[in-house]
Amino acid sequence: GAGVSQSPRYKVAKRGQDVALRCDPISGHVSLFWYQQALGQGPEFLTYFQNEAQLDKSGLPSDRFFAERPEGSVSTLKIQRTQQEDSAVYLCASSLEVGGSGELFFGEGSRLTVL
Amino acid sequence: KNQVEQSPQSLIILEGKNCTLQCNYTVSPFSNLRWYKQDTGRGPVSLTIMTFSENTKSNGRYTATLDADTKQSSLHITASQLSDSASYICVVSASGYLVGGGADGLTFGKGTHLIIQP
Repeated sequence: GAGVSQSPRYKVAKRGQDVALRCDPISGHVSLFWYQQALGQGPEFLTYFQNEAQLDKSGLPSDRFFAERPEGSVSTLKIQRTQQEDSAVYLCASSLEVGGSGELFFGEGSRLTVL
Repeated sequence: KNQVEQSPQSLIILEGKNCTLQCNYTVSPFSNLRWYKQDTGRGPVSLTIMTFSENTKSNGRYTATLDADTKQSSLHITASQLSDSASYICVVSASGYLVGGGADGLTFGKGTHLIIQP
């Protein structure tokens, strides 16, 4: 597609449920980032993929968070046993260049609300 | 620890007026500085990217400046329009993080929330 696509746009989960958020990056983009954005705050880094390799997962807040990009294109962010503090917008961004040096193109985000 | 500070946190101005948003950073070694516009409920969209050697860059009514010596940047909006109401996020990229590009590779500010009133 023309841009980064994320789904679902909105997700409401009961505490303890597992959720999966999907990101379709721009075709051919090597780098893929996941960010968590709380209301009124800037995005916070979660994890980074270079093609299918997860090179940096230092921002994942707990072992309940897991991300994959098995074929180097579509990525999924999975949150197990969701907690209320997981409520946030989850942004995906892709870039043609390796690492954080190139321009980032963001998706519209997935807004997660945990009740 | 790399940091990006933005001011003001929020700003309200009348339509047609100009405004300037500030960004101070302590990212090292510096690679580039970006300004993003984020409409409510949308993802950030790039406005400008400036490298060390560039001290000004324009995108329509948006003009960004960079002073790499004082580690400061500003985003000036001319003749504001209602559609300029958004959050403006300053992001600084550090060199040497080409592999990971993670938390230290890109440092995000918290943003300035701008409201344009008719």
